[in-house]
Amino acid sequence: EIVLTQSPGTLSLSPGERATLSCRASQSVSSSYLAWYQQKPGQAPRLLIYGASSRATGIPDRFSGSGSGTDFTLTISRLEPEDFAVYYCQQYGSSPRGLTFGGGTKVEIK
Amino acid sequence: EVQLVESGGGLVKPGGSLRLSCAASGFTFSSYSMNWVRQAPGKGLEWVSSISSSSSYIYYADSVKGRFTISRDNAKNSLYLQMNSLRAEDTAVYYCARERNPVCSGGSCYFLDYWGQGTLVTVSS
Repeated sequence: EIVLTQSPGTLSLSPGERATLSCRASQSVSSSYLAWYQQKPGQAPRLLIYGASSRATGIPDRFSGSGSGTDFTLTISRLEPEDFAVYYCQQYGSSPRGLTFGGGTKVEIK
Repeated sequence: EVQLVESGGGLVKPGGSLRLSCAASGFTFSSYSMNWVRQAPGKGLEWVSSISSSSSYIYYADSVKGRFTISRDNAKNSLYLQMNSLRAEDTAVYYCARERNPVCSGGSCYFLDYWGQGTLVTVSS
């Protein structure tokens, strides 16, 4: 079973700064199976990125995804106040079948 | 507008049972696979189960296999999760989510594009 490790656990930044979030897989993952979600307190997760680098509908272009193999990155080019939240990466596994989520990275206001 | 509304959560004793429902609207429910994902208080996301559009393919996380049963009624646009032999560690907000598998460069993508607001299940004596 593939394990996703997200780092850092918490990122303290100011609005306007650049955020770089890492998601590392315990073995190689198909880029098409890698997605990123944003979750704010008391809300359901929201899809940001799928296929490692494709933005979901309505997602601002300050959000970008990259990576391949075992290392994937979510970048927020300039943090807006509404971007302070927890971010999760997700991969789909074919053996065993199912989704795996990383432990999350909290982006907090410095 | 796509809407997913979960219901059926509540307080249940260890060893008890509960049935969650998810009412879908705003899309052709019978064309999509659906998933349940849970989140324990203050913790991360954990995938629970998935079911294909026609119920032909069903998968479970090891943590719930043999205790939980996912099902759907396409005529009623509804998804269900029957939870038996509940344990304290099953305490969580349970989300239903729509699965998407579009063709992407390099193969088929796999992600959850719409989520409900969740229903809280508390297992405690």
